[in-house]
Amino acid sequence: KNEVEQSPQNLTAQEGEFITINCSYSVGISALHWLQQHPGGGIVSLFMLSSGKKKHGRLIATINIQEKHSSLHITASHPRDSAVYICAAAQGAQKLVFGQGTRLTINP
Amino acid sequence: DAMVIQNPRYQVTQFGKPVTLSCSQTLNHNVMYWYQQKSSQAPKLLFHYYDKDFNNEADTPDNFQSRRPNTSFCFLDIRSPGLGDAAMYLCATSSTGYGYTFGSGTRLTVV
Repeated sequence: KNEVEQSPQNLTAQEGEFITINCSYSVGISALHWLQQHPGGGIVSLFMLSSGKKKHGRLIATINIQEKHSSLHITASHPRDSAVYICAAAQGAQKLVFGQGTRLTINP
Repeated sequence: DAMVIQNPRYQVTQFGKPVTLSCSQTLNHNVMYWYQQKSSQAPKLLFHYYDKDFNNEADTPDNFQSRRPNTSFCFLDIRSPGLGDAAMYLCATSSTGYGYTFGSGTRLTVV
């Protein structure tokens, strides 16, 4: 069992739909990161969370430390949101343990 | 804008010919990382520097070396690239209380 598990692994939705990607972790963490990677591209850091909730534009990330669970939500999804979304748990000197990623496709 | 810059974006090298990838940062973060990412896989940490302290992952092949001459720059040297070393190489930085910042990556092709 991976230390960081994401679900679903693949998600296809229509433009405008509300998207939720889930992440569960079994390790102790100093922070939880949500990352975005477009095909063939580098990685962009979306959020770093240690508690509660953060919002940036149409993206919202929440974390429940007691349940060791985090969610990434996208409101009013758009085709440009199509990417791989990666949950990563930061341990120790910010070493990251990565989830397997969720491939999101938003159709027009 | 403060950022992490990787050069080149695409690198083609010959089998067995040494190659160096570079990473620079303007964030003044004290930790710098090199990750290897193969197609459809999660990034794999090769090594990281905490200030000048070098930390090698146990399963990083000896073929991979790194140098950090100062806070801003970090290099990845592949002494004898093999076909299996073709991948995206990602540099990242972090500092206490700050999140990760990734570079755009260098895609290495070995021919």
